[in-house]
Amino acid sequence: AQTVTQSQPEMSVQEAETVTLSCTYDTSESNYYLFWYKQPPSRQMILVIRQEAYKQQNATENRFSVNFQKAAKSFSLKISDSQLGDTAMYFCAFMKHTGTASKLTFGTGTRLQVTL
Amino acid sequence: GAVVSQHPSRVICKSGTSVKIECRSLDFQATTMFWYRQFPKKSLMLMATSNEGSKATYEQGVEKDKFLINHASLTLSTLTVTSAHPEDSSFYICSARGTSAAYEQYFGPGTRLTVT
Repeated sequence: AQTVTQSQPEMSVQEAETVTLSCTYDTSESNYYLFWYKQPPSRQMILVIRQEAYKQQNATENRFSVNFQKAAKSFSLKISDSQLGDTAMYFCAFMKHTGTASKLTFGTGTRLQVTL
Repeated sequence: GAVVSQHPSRVICKSGTSVKIECRSLDFQATTMFWYRQFPKKSLMLMATSNEGSKATYEQGVEKDKFLINHASLTLSTLTVTSAHPEDSSFYICSARGTSAAYEQYFGPGTRLTVT
């Protein structure tokens, strides 16, 4: 079974600063996806970024980028130029690449607070 | 992007009664739907996976007779909490996957269930 670990329950960052959220995972699979989801106070889950394990290049979406270290099974999220609207719970998630049977395994989450 | 709705967004019911939560994919056909439960300040726990026209597959520890899932059409899945008790109070989230890539999963806004 896959496990996803987020070791930082809470983090705080000042507006315009950069913050990195950590995530490690454990799997014996070689082909999989990794995700970061954001859950703001509205509770709506929002996909932030996705990484395919077979791709060596780190995924980037505007101010959000990942540092994917496959050998170390590490998948951290960097948020640049933090904004107040980034305040949310952030969940790291894993999915095997097995078609329609694929399901997400979530980490425990990191609560990020962006302050003025 | 694809939209998933849930109804109701909030529901309060008395202990011993049953309550039904609907999950609809509004602009795509959802071949697979997932039901999650989220406790306060906790991660999402997958309860079950349902494929249209098939019986749902429940995760270990989830009572299938208590949490009835029906995926009768490609746009609608329902979760019925039968004989609800206060410990069933939680936030329930559905997500849906269409016929495109396996990693494309869209989340509903969630339903807060309170059992008194």
